[in-house]
Amino acid sequence: NAGVTQTPKFQVLKTGQSMTLQCAQDMNHEYMSWYRQDPGMGLRLIHYSVGAGITDQGEVPNGYNVSRSTTEDFPLRLLSAAPSQTSVYFCASSSGTAVGYTFGSGTRLTVV
Amino acid sequence: AQSVSQHNHHVILSEAASLELGCNYSYGGTVNLFWYVQYPGQHLQLLLKYFSGDPLVKGIKGFEAEFIKSKFSFNLRKPSVQWSDTAEYFCAARGAAGNKLTFGGGTRVLVKP
Repeated sequence: NAGVTQTPKFQVLKTGQSMTLQCAQDMNHEYMSWYRQDPGMGLRLIHYSVGAGITDQGEVPNGYNVSRSTTEDFPLRLLSAAPSQTSVYFCASSSGTAVGYTFGSGTRLTVV
Repeated sequence: AQSVSQHNHHVILSEAASLELGCNYSYGGTVNLFWYVQYPGQHLQLLLKYFSGDPLVKGIKGFEAEFIKSKFSFNLRKPSVQWSDTAEYFCAARGAAGNKLTFGGGTRVLVKP
């Protein structure tokens, strides 16, 4: 039972590079979300999805794209990395509004 | 706008002391409330949640939280902390019909042995 799997665990990018953070869950959860965690700011919602083919913006969507072609996968794309995107990124999934979210172990991203 | 605020950024306690962390939320309508814990170097884990019914909810590891609707609060408590409770604690809220989970800024708790 893997839960929510995020890859990679660590990544260093140069300014302007693009990359995709992977997130997969094996619990058949409909809801998936991406958060970034910065010191003193808690977790801020980047994008979320309520099912395959459906995505919406969260609190801090600029500079990020998502897609949800399958129930299992919810990749986060950084289009042109900036130092302000240095953060820890968490993916989470949930089976419905009546339960909590299960979080992945995070991706620590540094943009230089 | 929906928001969650945690008033204490850092708390330092000795073992066996009691812990109470404050959480206030601003939401229209029915709200679901959560407390998550993040141990050093680890991901978030759910401590407890409130959806309806008894406003005093009990979670894992001896934690409990009380929902006070009139105060828009959902404070977390533990009567006697252990060194292993050193972690960051996050309060979160979601509208009952919604999908966005909004987090507070977190409270870092350090328990001295």
